Amino acid sequence: DTGVSQDPRHKITKRGQNVTFRCDPISEHNRLYWYRQTLGQGPEFLTYFQNEAQLEKSRLLSDRFSAERPKGSFSTLEIQRTEQGDSAMYLCASTLGLAGSTLTNNEQFFGPGTRLTVL
Amino acid sequence: GENVEQHPSTLSVQEGDSAVIKCTYSDSASNYFPWYKQELGKRPQLIIDIRSNVGEKKDQRIAVTLNKTAKHFSLHITETQPEDSAVYFCAASKTGGGADGLTFGKGTHLIIQP
Repeated sequence: DTGVSQDPRHKITKRGQNVTFRCDPISEHNRLYWYRQTLGQGPEFLTYFQNEAQLEKSRLLSDRFSAERPKGSFSTLEIQRTEQGDSAMYLCASTLGLAGSTLTNNEQFFGPGTRLTVL
Repeated sequence: GENVEQHPSTLSVQEGDSAVIKCTYSDSASNYFPWYKQELGKRPQLIIDIRSNVGEKKDQRIAVTLNKTAKHFSLHITETQPEDSAVYFCAASKTGGGADGLTFGKGTHLIIQP
């Protein structure tokens, strides 16, 4: 499968624990996005990387959330001191943006998501 | 920031009939409007998108229209089939999601009645 992959697919944790999710984008894609989706809602944007640079963060991303993309390939999303309200599906998406252009509209390809349940 | 409203939340149509889903957006600077289909337990998949420099786009049974003045866009599915049953999300962004994340509507659950 050459699409976007995410690991793990499911994670159950106790309140207060830290969790980390991984996203592997489509190999040539330089832009990577994290979204959160709760039941019955559309995905909500969390943060965006172009190569290894984190260029945008939603105000939904509290101080307990941190994301990295150290080599411009895979990305990790860490949630510290999890709360029950963090239970959701965490989706990763990637796209290919042309260098030097912010005007390119390209399809975002989504991964299968990591479903987090905080008990 | 951008706000996207989507209606209806549930739409039930007879197989073979047409389905229309409508969205409005708030940020006049938004210029990219994709539509995603999400089947139960699966990832969202793009079905069609439109940019602000065109008013309509069609791909087989699916079409999207955009009215920039009114800030609304619609998805039209003709000759609906059982496999069209899913949740459909509209979205909007500035610079086409290349620099900004997508803002999604809350989704429309489309049910195709046999």
